[in-house]
Amino acid sequence: DTEVTQTPKHLVMGMTNKKSLKCEQHMGHRAMYWYKQKAKKPPELMFVYSYEKLSINESVPSRFSPECPNSSLLNLHLHALQPEDSALYLCASSQAVFYEQYFGPGTRLTVT
Amino acid sequence: AQTVTQSQPEMSVQEAETVTLSCTYDTSENNYYLFWYKQPPSRQMILVIRQEAYKQQNATENRFSVNFQKAAKSFSLKISDSQLGDTAMYFCAFMKQLNYGGSQGNLIFGKGTKLSVKP
Repeated sequence: DTEVTQTPKHLVMGMTNKKSLKCEQHMGHRAMYWYKQKAKKPPELMFVYSYEKLSINESVPSRFSPECPNSSLLNLHLHALQPEDSALYLCASSQAVFYEQYFGPGTRLTVT
Repeated sequence: AQTVTQSQPEMSVQEAETVTLSCTYDTSENNYYLFWYKQPPSRQMILVIRQEAYKQQNATENRFSVNFQKAAKSFSLKISDSQLGDTAMYFCAFMKQLNYGGSQGNLIFGKGTKLSVKP
């Protein structure tokens, strides 16, 4: 099973809302990632978790809060977002940080 | 800092023909990994092929092959016998390898090439 799942597929939220994105993999991978992708642009790395510890935070605003409850799960908690945060949020996982990354289908987020 | 350049924003190819997508990168590192990913209109990123810089042999995966020229810092993707399902945005990506053989895991992507396969 080489699948990374993400929920929800679509999310619309107001600027005062609190919501969470969820990512799950059952491949035994020990590294997980969050990316942000704007339309017609490449993905931009946000966070890297390696063995459930945050190893990279690419200067992401604090309104984005990642969480890795266990090796299979990765959450992204959202609070007080801005309209410019509207994007496709991609989750990925890899066997370890230097292996190829497998991506989920993404969550399309719209902030109103 | 590493950069990845894909000089062809859009390309098209007839079904069953061969097409080559270009990618160049700039780095002072000697050890690194290179990847090609495709992103169809469904938006899911799919790994196409991977190349380790220390390997001289070019990677192949079925109809997909690369031409890796380390000295020229070039990493092109050749798609043979193009199929309609190959229509997608193709991203070239670079990952630095750390001294002990690992990596921090941060993929650096090019801006992408939009490939259209025409019937």
